[in-house]
Amino acid sequence: DQQVKQNSPSLSVQEGRISILNCDYTNSMFDYFLWYKKYPAEGPTFLISISSIKDKNEDGRFTVFLNKSAKHLSLHIVPSQPGDSAVYFCAASPYGNKLVFGAGTILRVKS
Amino acid sequence: DAGITQSPRYKITETGRQVTLMCHQTWSHSYMFWYRQDLGHGLRLIYYSAAADITDKGEVPDGYVVSRSKTENFPLTLESATRSQTSVYFCASSGTAGLAGDYEQYFGPGTRLTVT
Repeated sequence: DQQVKQNSPSLSVQEGRISILNCDYTNSMFDYFLWYKKYPAEGPTFLISISSIKDKNEDGRFTVFLNKSAKHLSLHIVPSQPGDSAVYFCAASPYGNKLVFGAGTILRVKS
Repeated sequence: DAGITQSPRYKITETGRQVTLMCHQTWSHSYMFWYRQDLGHGLRLIYYSAAADITDKGEVPDGYVVSRSKTENFPLTLESATRSQTSVYFCASSGTAGLAGDYEQYFGPGTRLTVT
């Protein structure tokens, strides 16, 4: 049973437009959420996070929104750039340091 | 080099062989983790360690063994490799949860393991 779901395996966006990546979770005990970015042949790198006490966190072109009632979070990238093309993983923490990851979404930004 | 390193980066082994993947971090992080990445499954936790000599199972521990005698090292051993263990393996580390930002895990570059 996947506790963190990324239902879109891939997303294609034009350069300069907004990219929206979605993530749903089932465990109401999750209290911290993270997004990771992964390029081929590299390890995932941390992108942005949000605590369950907030509904929005911004860092430059990246914004994460959390809707606790819907158990849904999304990552917005504005404007999208070709260098943003990567696999994006959503992750959630039930407690302490353990993370549960989604299956990932491949983002392609076309120039 | 500072950071987290994994060796080897690529490994081909035969079914039934024992193979050990190495992980080393220089941050003195308390926590270390082993994940495997498979298409359609994302990253699944195999084992983790909260400190030296403290380890615990993750989501998919069967067929794997870990140890942590030193804070900086966290080797993963496949005792008798099977084809289903063909995967990309990532090691990660983090500080202690509760401090700002310490849920973040820092990943190594990965080891691509093929079991023939």
